[in-house]
Amino acid sequence: QKEVEQNSGPLSVPEGAIASLNCTYSDRGSQSFFWYRQYSGKSPELIMFIYSNGDKEDGRFTAQLNKASQYVSLLIRDSQPSDSATYLCAVNKNTDKLIFGTGTRLQVFP
Amino acid sequence: GAGVSQTPSNKVTEKGKYVELRCDPISGHTALYWYRQSLGQGPEFLIYFQGTGAADDSGLPNDRFFAVRPEGSVSTLKIQRTERGDSAVYLCASSPGNNEQFFGPGTRLTVL
Repeated sequence: QKEVEQNSGPLSVPEGAIASLNCTYSDRGSQSFFWYRQYSGKSPELIMFIYSNGDKEDGRFTAQLNKASQYVSLLIRDSQPSDSATYLCAVNKNTDKLIFGTGTRLQVFP
Repeated sequence: GAGVSQTPSNKVTEKGKYVELRCDPISGHTALYWYRQSLGQGPEFLIYFQGTGAADDSGLPNDRFFAVRPEGSVSTLKIQRTERGDSAVYLCASSPGNNEQFFGPGTRLTVL
């Protein structure tokens, strides 16, 4: 079992819809959770992080964490074609290194 | 302000050669990380520096890989006797110490 699992996609959503990206992790000791966006041929860009159970909103993005179920999700409201990218989930077990999933490819079509 | 920079952006080498990859972190960031990313995969941790010392090198795949950060700023990842399997994008990230890691553009290493 991988430590961080994501559906590879692609997840296709129409412009203006809500995109929901999910991630599960295996280690209950994981303490902080990150979402990165990676455009093709580019490096990962930090979108959001979350430490506590519940929701955290930043503009069109909402991160959701459920430690009991060991999942973290990212919602993108009013999806735009420019949101089309691979979204990487990463967890940190208070050892400073990030453990990444393989990413979910999101396609937003006009 | 300036982000993390990495040089070279691309490196093509022959099997068995030695390569050095450089990372210049965001000014003031005390933590520096090296990852590598293969096609279709997420970044894989290699080594982490806090200041000048390697705080965690558990991700280095073998003793052909070594990294230094002598003055607590710029870091160099060194790979000896390169193998075709070393081909990947090598990513550097820096952090002000709060677990938020900011990545550089990466160095694409190709071993022929």
